[in-house]
Amino acid sequence: ELKVEQNPLFLSMQEGKNYTIYCNYSTTSDRLYWYRQDPGKSLESLFVLLSNGAVKQEGRLMASLDTKARLSTLHITAAVHDLSATYFCAALRDSGYALNFGKGTSLLVTP
Amino acid sequence: GAVVSQHPSWVICKSGTSVKIECRSLDFQATTMFWYRQFPKQSLMLMATSNEGSKATYEQGVEKDKFLINHASLTLSTLTVTSAHPEDSSFYICSAPRDGYSPLHFGNGTRLTVT
Repeated sequence: ELKVEQNPLFLSMQEGKNYTIYCNYSTTSDRLYWYRQDPGKSLESLFVLLSNGAVKQEGRLMASLDTKARLSTLHITAAVHDLSATYFCAALRDSGYALNFGKGTSLLVTP
Repeated sequence: GAVVSQHPSWVICKSGTSVKIECRSLDFQATTMFWYRQFPKQSLMLMATSNEGSKATYEQGVEKDKFLINHASLTLSTLTVTSAHPEDSSFYICSAPRDGYSPLHFGNGTRLTVT
C-alpha cells in the first residue's frame, strides 16, 4: 500500500526565512503533486512532478522530485505572510488517477 | 477558471435524511471521478472511485450502502449520503482527471453538517 509521509506537520516561520517541507512515499509512484489549502477551501494545485529530477518553481515555492529516494521537497524562499496555509503532497496510486495524500503541513508565517 | 464544479458548497441536514452532492466536469469528459472526505484539520482520504457506466469502487471501510455513487454521464458524478448521522459531518471533495499529465482538478468541496 502506498503511504505518503510529510514533515513537518506544523511549521511556524518568520517572514523572510527559508524552509523545506519533505514528502516521502513508500512505493513507486509515477507522479507527485503538491497542493495548497486555505481554511475552509478546497485544494489549489501548485505543482505536478512527473519524473526523476523534476524541479518546478513558482514564485517563492520550488518543488523537486527524487524518485530513487522516493522523496519530494517543497522549498519556501523568503517566506511572506500570504504563504500561510496547509500544504499537501500526494502521490499517484499505481492504477488510475487516485491520490494518496500526506497529512499536510500547516504553515504559519509570522512577521 | 474552475474545471470541476461541485454543488452544493455547504449543506445542513437533520439526522436520518439523505443528501446528494454533485460533481461536474465543466469542459471535458471524465470517465472516472474520485470522492474524498476530509475531517477537520486532517488529510484527505479517498472514499471511492466513480466509474461512468459502471459500479463505483469503494475503499476499504467505506460503506457503499451509506455513500451511494452514481456516474450516469461523462460529466456528472453524484454522491448521496443516505440516512446521514452527525459522524458523517465532513468536507467532501471530488476530483476528475482531465488528461494524463495535468494536475488533477478538484471541486470546491461540500461542507456537510448533520444535526
